[in-house]
Amino acid sequence: GEDVEQSLFLSVREGDSSVINCTYTDSSSTYLYWYKQEPGAGLQLLTYIFSNMDMKQDQRLTVLLNKKDKHLSLRIADTQTGDSAIYFCAESSGSNDYKLSFGAGTTVTVRA
Amino acid sequence: DVKVTQSSRYLVKRTGEKVFLECVQDMDHENMFWYRQDPGLGLRLIYFSYDVKMKEKGDIPEGYSVSREKKERFSLILESASTNQTSMYLCASIATGSTQVTNSPLHFGNGTRLTVT
Repeated sequence: GEDVEQSLFLSVREGDSSVINCTYTDSSSTYLYWYKQEPGAGLQLLTYIFSNMDMKQDQRLTVLLNKKDKHLSLRIADTQTGDSAIYFCAESSGSNDYKLSFGAGTTVTVRA
Repeated sequence: DVKVTQSSRYLVKRTGEKVFLECVQDMDHENMFWYRQDPGLGLRLIYFSYDVKMKEKGDIPEGYSVSREKKERFSLILESASTNQTSMYLCASIATGSTQVTNSPLHFGNGTRLTVT
């Protein structure tokens, strides 16, 4: 599959902003995604961005896309304890929108 | 609500055993996937199926096979389990015609944690 890279761990204080970064390699990806995995559960789609957009905001979540550098980030404002989870960056394969390539996942720990 | 059910939450098997991991979805989805999840490696696609009796290899199919005899069920088979197949296995499904960005994205089961001793 295509390479999607992200840092493995992030520790953030409750109330602060979290920023999770991701780089990808497939320039033909139509959409890029952020999935969230809570302990003991499968993955759930958190948000996404279309490849011709630079930014998308959805309540506390802001997604930034730098297509030239193939860099994607997810910012969570006012981070809460319920945001503690593993966050996966993913891109769709250029030839198959259903087949996703995932990063290794960033474990976000929110401390009081 | 779409439900993807993996029959076992935890499984412990011995090296050399034949292992079946079962996944059932209740929304008539055509496409089903098996991923394995390992720390530091994320999710890697093992096999996927886009219709009954159809299958395609993913990125890491070695040591695995799959079966899709009915639309709702997608089975992952380890013909002879080995310790390096100890992992979390995730099943997912999506309907043809959906896109990830609709409110019908890829739906995941809760996973089967397999330990091979």
